[in-house]
Amino acid sequence: AQSVSQHNHHVILSEAASLELGCNYSYGGTVNLFWYVQYPGQHLQLLLKYFSGDPLVKGIKGFEAEFIKSKFSFNLRKPSVQWSDTAEYFCAATSRGSGNTGKLIFGQGTTLQVKP
Amino acid sequence: DADVTQTPRNRITKTGKRIMLECSQTKGHDRMYWYRQDPGLGLQLIYYSFDVKDINKGEISDGYSVSRQAQAKFSLSLESAIPNQTALYFCATSEVWVLYEQYFGPGTRLTVT
Repeated sequence: AQSVSQHNHHVILSEAASLELGCNYSYGGTVNLFWYVQYPGQHLQLLLKYFSGDPLVKGIKGFEAEFIKSKFSFNLRKPSVQWSDTAEYFCAATSRGSGNTGKLIFGQGTTLQVKP
Repeated sequence: DADVTQTPRNRITKTGKRIMLECSQTKGHDRMYWYRQDPGLGLQLIYYSFDVKDINKGEISDGYSVSRQAQAKFSLSLESAIPNQTALYFCATSEVWVLYEQYFGPGTRLTVT
């Protein structure tokens, strides 16, 4: 079955620390991968996406993610976090190809708390 | 104005009551989705619609029904609400040919007592 798994459920960092959130997917065929962010009290916003090409993708607010096909991973990174990065982060995937519905499968989410 | 809006934003209802959550979009997208979010479970797909005449069940459709009144409107109904349906509900839209990027509404927080 298709699934997305996020390793860390709750991460606490100090400002300026580096961030890496893990995401693994289980999909047959070609996948599209996404990271969404949900700031407190707000709706989900797209951080970045991978469809094809360069496996290192850059998103908004200094975030980036690397698609490693051999590891079925799409980890999110940021070199130096800020207090304003406190939010919940969701990895998501959808498959491409015949019969594709565009349905997103979400991971469980990771709550990031950045201490000032 | 927001591209995807949801009403109400918060609702408290009692077990057994019927409730409808509404979603409207001005993005002109054909595809619309309803998700529920529970702590530690991420988002789960309830129903999705590719156009007004095409509605499909998602992962957790039991206890829910939907209506696609127009391209811009997609409503979710709980025919007889139960406490287990207390959650945050999101509507989303996507454009058919833009590789499945979805745009989310602000969410409706539903509490069933």
